[in-house]
Amino acid sequence: EPEVTQTPSHQVTQMGQEVILRCVPISNHLYFYWYRQILGQKVEFLVSFYNNEISEKSEIFDDQFSVERPDGSNFTLKIRSTKLEDSAMYFCASRPLARGNTDTQYFGPGTRLTVL
Amino acid sequence: GQQLNQSPQSMFIQEGEDVSMNCTSSSIFNTWLWYKQEPGEGPVLLIALYKAGELTSNGRLTAQFGITRKDSFLNISASIPSDVGIYFCAGQLIGSGNTGKLIFGQGTTLQVKP
Repeated sequence: EPEVTQTPSHQVTQMGQEVILRCVPISNHLYFYWYRQILGQKVEFLVSFYNNEISEKSEIFDDQFSVERPDGSNFTLKIRSTKLEDSAMYFCASRPLARGNTDTQYFGPGTRLTVL
Repeated sequence: GQQLNQSPQSMFIQEGEDVSMNCTSSSIFNTWLWYKQEPGEGPVLLIALYKAGELTSNGRLTAQFGITRKDSFLNISASIPSDVGIYFCAGQLIGSGNTGKLIFGQGTTLQVKP
């Protein structure tokens, strides 16, 4: 069964450093998402991406964040200058083009980001 | 604001018991999804609901999309130890366009005693 994959599984970085989190969505999906989950808290929406542009972003997704689909398979989240409060699990998700009721999102296993 | 209130926050039950959890909101949703998350992993989809009043089963799991579109429940029958995990409801607000942004509940932590 196709699945969303993410690399690395764990990233440790120093405050102020740039990080890039990588995702490979399910191959025939057209909508891509990043969510984050601070330890012990609920999952929070960061950004949605469709047709090579951001379709919606949350207030968390400030100028330090950017997303890119550099080729036909990868979807990346970049944090330019990490802060301590960026430490969290980051989940990538994808869904097919909605026809009828196909609004289901499938999540990857996550990348645990630790900022020291 | 846009918030889902999920309850209970945690449950500790005996194997074989039935479990019920729910999510409510003051906002109207056009989609309700129920996910299970195990430690260190991503949310895994259990059940998807798309119509008000819809009742859907997946094995021992049953979920319903509330008729008012503001709530949903998930039932697990005859619980087993592998049901342990955190269960999240997630919804897509009506009128939110087609971005598919999901709003998550706070989660229900389920522990099952063999």
